[in-house]
Amino acid sequence: TQLLEQSPQFLSIQEGENLTVYCNSSSVFSSLQWYRQEPGEGPVLLVTVVTGGEVKKLKRLTFQFGDARKDSSLHITAAQPGDTGLYLCAGGAVPSGSARQLTFGSGTQLTVLP
Amino acid sequence: DSGVTQTPKHLITATGQRVTLRCSPRSGDLSVYWYQQSLDQGLQFLIQYYNGEERAKGNILERFSAQQFPDLHSELNLSSLELGDSALYFCASSEHSDWLGYGYTFGSGTRLTVV
Repeated sequence: TQLLEQSPQFLSIQEGENLTVYCNSSSVFSSLQWYRQEPGEGPVLLVTVVTGGEVKKLKRLTFQFGDARKDSSLHITAAQPGDTGLYLCAGGAVPSGSARQLTFGSGTQLTVLP
Repeated sequence: DSGVTQTPKHLITATGQRVTLRCSPRSGDLSVYWYQQSLDQGLQFLIQYYNGEERAKGNILERFSAQQFPDLHSELNLSSLELGDSALYFCASSEHSDWLGYGYTFGSGTRLTVV
């Protein structure tokens, strides 16, 4: 079973600040996804990164996939209270002949204070 | 509304009991996945069904079982419940049998409390 570790586990910042959360693994992933989960709801897909070194932007969110495809980061610029939530990275295994499923990291709980 | 429907939203039951959680996937999706989310374990993959057949198994206890019916809805059965089974149980769906880089669509979950 591949392990995705996220850091920090908890992050509390003031509105307007920038932040970065990290997702690391010792294994290579064919691609990684980032989800956001709000209280009482299921995770919602934000982005999929596929190519090593790839950078994707979604408004104030910037996602990067590491060159070796073992890690990823999420950077939020000028955070807003609406960004509050649990951020989860998830990856599928490099093909091994068995059915691949999405494996989730432990998550980063972000709180943006007004 | 994600298109994935889970019922019930909340469930409170006693230790030793059995419960059934239900999931209707998004229209057109053939795969259903069950995940358990607890504070100390995060989001753990339990089991996947694809078009009625079991496709992949994760950290699912022997006391737990699931099935997918011809209309593609799925049920997760939890028996001999213990306090530690208290968690959020999510169902997700996708079109494909294997994870090919597409996103899963999650339901809103069932919060199970075992007392």
